[in-house]
Amino acid sequence: EAQVTQNPRYLITVTGKKLTVTCSQNMNHEYMSWYRQDPGLGLRQIYYSMNVEVTDKGDVPEGYKVSRKEKRNFPLILESPSPNQTSLYFCASSWGENSPLHFGNGTRLTVT
Amino acid sequence: AQSVAQPEDQVNVAEGNPLTVKCTYSVSGNPYLFWYVQYPNRGLQFLLKYITGDNLVKGSYGFEAEFNKSQTSFHLKKPSALVSDSALYFCAVRDGDYGQNFVFGPGTRLSVLP
Repeated sequence: EAQVTQNPRYLITVTGKKLTVTCSQNMNHEYMSWYRQDPGLGLRQIYYSMNVEVTDKGDVPEGYKVSRKEKRNFPLILESPSPNQTSLYFCASSWGENSPLHFGNGTRLTVT
Repeated sequence: AQSVAQPEDQVNVAEGNPLTVKCTYSVSGNPYLFWYVQYPNRGLQFLLKYITGDNLVKGSYGFEAEFNKSQTSFHLKKPSALVSDSALYFCAVRDGDYGQNFVFGPGTRLSVLP
């Protein structure tokens, strides 16, 4: 089954403790992206990647890192999480600019 | 810069009645427009898209959307709403000429009342 898999689904952590949210897709998509969803703000893009070893900042990249060492994986790294990063995070992938995004089921992160 | 507006936070409609969820956009180049639906505890699912061609686009689950270039709108419609259509709906735009990324609207919560 074609899918985007994110782990974990839920994560509670404390300020400053490094964490990684994994994302993997099995559709051989070149484009991958991370979004955060906050009430009333819709989805805001954090980082995106057009292909392996090619990443770029989205609209809200501060406090986040990503890497794209393999085509299928696109982990999101929070080196020092803060409470304002409490949010619902989505990974997505697509074939390219005309193609719709395929989303994972989300990771709900709480930073205390 | 690209932007998307969904002027209604909430839309309520009775089952069996037609529904409309509104979306307006702003891009510099040609707009690539998408609608997505989000059910509770799930990621967004693609409904339909407009890239070029016929202004009336048909998508999944009986939904359709009409592209109106002069009004820069891309409203989502369905002739007869179902209770199961109740969800959060997002409009998204990508600038076909200049932009690499999707920009999403804030979302509209649709409630279909039995």
